[in-house]
Amino acid sequence: KAGVTQTPRYLIKTRGQQVTLSCSPISGHRSVSWYQQTPGQGLQFLFEYFSETQRNKGNFPGRFSGRQFSNSRSEMNVSTLELGDSALYLCASRPQGYNEQFFGPGTRLTVL
Amino acid sequence: AQSVTQPDIHITVSEGASLELRCNYSYGATPYLFWYVQSPGQGLQLLLKYFSGDTLVQGIKGFEAEFKRSQSSFNLRKPSVHWSDAAEYFCAVAVSYNTDKLIFGTGTRLQVFP
Repeated sequence: KAGVTQTPRYLIKTRGQQVTLSCSPISGHRSVSWYQQTPGQGLQFLFEYFSETQRNKGNFPGRFSGRQFSNSRSEMNVSTLELGDSALYLCASRPQGYNEQFFGPGTRLTVL
Repeated sequence: AQSVTQPDIHITVSEGASLELRCNYSYGATPYLFWYVQSPGQGLQLLLKYFSGDTLVQGIKGFEAEFKRSQSSFNLRKPSVHWSDAAEYFCAVAVSYNTDKLIFGTGTRLQVFP
């Protein structure tokens, strides 16, 4: 099986722009979560989706949003980018009934 | 609130030496604990997990971890480190069984000298 794929792998944006990151879970996985990783704050939970419903949300401003589609693919959007949004954004998927998340390689976002 | 502490930011060991990475958690109920490894430029790979039962858990790549409730610890060990083990290691706790939300520690960077 192919692993979790994230596109794009690298992205450079300027302050004030918006960005959309994509995550394709492992085939058959219906749960998708997103994490932000920065040197200063470490790994922080962003969102959790299951069957197109957001089940949990981390402590991030409203500029961060996400969604999940009927094929379980997920996107996250960050609007009005700030320098502090520069980070590695990791997506993870999980098979139903099994408490192990499989992480993708991440999208490295740089905000200039 | 749940939290995870990894007291060691950076550890250096010689190849072939034993390794122990420390992890302490704060959680009221029975925790669901994980150890992940991250190589440079990569995502996270699960090494092992503890949900219940035997407190000594075996994982991949020769790693094991021991859950000690009295000490709120879940330390990761390996009897003989290989140069390829150089990476960053993260301990994490799940807030409940029914959520994917993980609380991560700050990580321990492992350097291995030949």
